[in-house]
Amino acid sequence: KAGVTQTPRYLIKTRGQQVTLSCSPISGHRSVSWYQQTPGQGLQFLFEYFSETQRNKGNFPGRFSGRQFSNSRSEMNVSTLELGDSALYLCASSSTGLGETQYFGPGTRLLVL
Amino acid sequence: QKEVEQDPGPLSVPEGAIVSLNCTYSNSAFQYFMWYRQYSRKGPELLMYTYSSGNKEDGRFTAQVDKSSKYISLFIRDSQPSDSATYLCAMTIAFGNEKLTFGTGTRLTIIP
Repeated sequence: KAGVTQTPRYLIKTRGQQVTLSCSPISGHRSVSWYQQTPGQGLQFLFEYFSETQRNKGNFPGRFSGRQFSNSRSEMNVSTLELGDSALYLCASSSTGLGETQYFGPGTRLLVL
Repeated sequence: QKEVEQDPGPLSVPEGAIVSLNCTYSNSAFQYFMWYRQYSRKGPELLMYTYSSGNKEDGRFTAQVDKSSKYISLFIRDSQPSDSATYLCAMTIAFGNEKLTFGTGTRLTIIP
């Protein structure tokens, strides 16, 4: 079974731009969570989607948004990029999201200049 | 203060040694505790998953949870160079809540 895939793997943007990252979960998984990983803060939860609905949300500003499609693929969008948004963005999928094992993708490394 | 504290290391030990990795937490509502391993340029992968207090063993890995002290540990026996990675503790309140709270990770190097 193919794992979680994320595209693109690397991205360079400038301040003020916006970016869209994509995540394809493991086939059959309906829950997709997004995390931001930085050296100083570690992994921080952004949000979780299940069946196209946002079910959980972390403490990030409204510039961070996401959505999930009917095939469970998910996108996250960051508008008006700031230097501090430079990070590894990870998505994780699980079958129902009810405390089941989350499987992580390799991440998208975003650099904001 | 962060909800979950983890010594970032780096930690270097010789091959074959016993490794002890630890996290402390402040939220007494955490019930489910996990350890993830993350290799360079990869996403985290789940190693161990425990519920409430107690021990759980899986091969060379043992996870311990002491809820009274709000302290969790991961022990690696007979450490191998392939164990060199960053180890992240994570915890959550309950089933149905997918918001995992992570420690910042401990970078471990096993020296051959």
